[in-house]
Amino acid sequence: KQEVTQIPAALSVPEGENLVLNCSFTDSAIYNLQWFRQDPGKGLTSLLLIQSSQREQTSGRLNASLDKSSGRSTLYIAASQPGDSATYLCAVASGYSTLTFGKGTMLLVSP
Amino acid sequence: NAGVTQTPKFQVLKTGQSMTLQCAQDMNHNSMYWYRQDPGMGLRLIYYSASEGTTDKGEVPNGYNVSRLNKREFSLRLESAAPSQTSVYFCASSLLAGGTDTQYFGPGTRLTVL
Repeated sequence: KQEVTQIPAALSVPEGENLVLNCSFTDSAIYNLQWFRQDPGKGLTSLLLIQSSQREQTSGRLNASLDKSSGRSTLYIAASQPGDSATYLCAVASGYSTLTFGKGTMLLVSP
Repeated sequence: NAGVTQTPKFQVLKTGQSMTLQCAQDMNHNSMYWYRQDPGMGLRLIYYSASEGTTDKGEVPNGYNVSRLNKREFSLRLESAAPSQTSVYFCASSLLAGGTDTQYFGPGTRLTVL
């Protein structure tokens, strides 16, 4: 059974810092890996999707990498802003039964 | 273009009551999903529908039933609510089946069962 772990569970940084969120998964046979953002009391918003054949994806200040063989992904956020404060969720697609989610990293960026 | 909509936003039930959570998407997506989110547990898949006319169980289907009414709508029914079903329920949709495509989520329904 696929298991997804996210470290750290919570992270607090001052505005302007570059930061890295980590995600690991136990079964390397995946279709893709997705990063989501969740604001308090809201639904999930997709940030990046990395196909299993890709090594990384970029969107603005966000860069996600994937090392399928080692079962790891990182989400890099450059020049963090208070508006980046949210919970970030990693999810992997393995098999036909859709996504397995990690428990998330709660990020607080202080002004 | 509203994306994925869910009704109601909040609901309080007594143990044993029944209710249906409604979900609709206007993106012409083929696949739809129901998840629940609990503190410390993350999101877990309840049921999904890969295409109109099909439904399959996810990780935690017990106590729930679903109906894929048409391509746009996917409802989740609790026949006899239990306190263990207190949770936040999210509906999602994607163009392609399974986990091979980006999923788009609704705003959630916060359900409390007393």
